[in-house]
Amino acid sequence: GAVVSQHPSWVICKSGTSVKIECRSLDFQATTMFWYRQFPKQSLMLMATSNEGSKATYEQGVEKDKFLINHASLTLSTLTVTSAHPEDSSFYICSARGASLGNTIYFGEGSWLTVV
Amino acid sequence: KQEVTQIPAALSVPEGENLVLNCSFTDSAIYNLQWFRQDPGKGLTSLLLIQSSQREQTSGRLNASLDKSSGRSTLYIAASQPGDSATYLCAGKVSGNTPLVFGKGTRLSVIA
Repeated sequence: GAVVSQHPSWVICKSGTSVKIECRSLDFQATTMFWYRQFPKQSLMLMATSNEGSKATYEQGVEKDKFLINHASLTLSTLTVTSAHPEDSSFYICSARGASLGNTIYFGEGSWLTVV
Repeated sequence: KQEVTQIPAALSVPEGENLVLNCSFTDSAIYNLQWFRQDPGKGLTSLLLIQSSQREQTSGRLNASLDKSSGRSTLYIAASQPGDSATYLCAGKVSGNTPLVFGKGTRLSVIA
């Protein structure tokens, strides 16, 4: 199947700094990428949807100025958590959909963010 | 707006037992429904995908069913093993290009 890779898998950053998480589709062109967040013992919650070359569409309650999403190419989307706070500590996971692959969605391995 | 609910939140069974995990969704106009497995600290592993036109899918010891009229899906695990211990998530989408909506998951523990 298609492969989606996330980097880094684990990251620790200091409060107030920014951290970037990358999501790459390795063997297909991802026309749409979705970013989810999962707090401990909670379900995955959709944060935003990004289409290549367009601005991301954020879900209600997600601050677009804090969670910057860039989908500048068909194989890469990035999520930047700006001015991170301890409450941003969470598991972030991306998924991607490619027109050539129908409507199947492929998930990255996820990224654990800990803000200290 | 599609909402997905999973019951129970946690389940503990002895090894070898057959078990059923339940998932319900509010919008019967579901496009497809997918079951995932998530191990602690890990990403998602897709187990089974059921299209709206299908009633069930099978893979090894796993069988997933879909009943759109009642808004329910079940994941049946036969002859459970300790290695099956994980959180099982179901997720549905209402159209081809919309994101998945996840339930909160069922945390399964299979005791040897």
